Amino acid sequence: GIQVEQSPPDLILQEGANSTLRCNFSDSVNNLQWFHQNPWGQLINLFYIPSGTKQNGRLSATTVATERYSLLYISSSQTTDSGVYFCAVEGTTDSWGKFQFGAGTQVVVTP
Amino acid sequence: DAGVIQSPRHEVTEMGQEVTLRCKPISGHNSLFWYRQTMMRGLELLIYFNNNVPIDDSGMPEDRFSAKMPNASFSTLKIQPSEPRDSAVYFCASSVGTSEQYFGPGTRLTVT
Repeated sequence: GIQVEQSPPDLILQEGANSTLRCNFSDSVNNLQWFHQNPWGQLINLFYIPSGTKQNGRLSATTVATERYSLLYISSSQTTDSGVYFCAVEGTTDSWGKFQFGAGTQVVVTP
Repeated sequence: DAGVIQSPRHEVTEMGQEVTLRCKPISGHNSLFWYRQTMMRGLELLIYFNNNVPIDDSGMPEDRFSAKMPNASFSTLKIQPSEPRDSAVYFCASSVGTSEQYFGPGTRLTVT
């Protein structure tokens, strides 16, 4: 099946800093989503972005499907951005509905 | 609009007991997914349904696990008999086809 690698595994930021999280995948994808798992365990949708660029407030994401990666940008980070960020992909080869999650990036934003 | 609803939110049971987790997807969504999250293995897809039909259950760890979707608004994941290694957070998610998935709050299962 498709392999998903996220980097870095851990990130410590001071409030106000910017950061970039990366998601690499091993094959063509039909779908790609970014999620934020908050400290209470809730998985929150950030972006549904199989290709292109999207922005939502201080967050934006870009997926370059032909080069098999996606980036999540956090600008002017806040303590509420702390948590784990996951990338999930659905491959194109015999993979209908089979979403594979990366291991996540643990983000800690300090005041 | 109500999101994905899961119950119970927490379950503590003894080894050997039957456990049933429940999920109500978002109205209008025709795909439903069950995931398990552990520290060791991360988020794993267990089984998913489309139009109430199981499409792929290759992620179900053992025959002790079973899932049903009797109608478009309800699904269950059953573990019988439960074992301590089944302790995890179980998430249900729903979507239209395989588009954007929305997750429920999860059920934290502890098997002692």
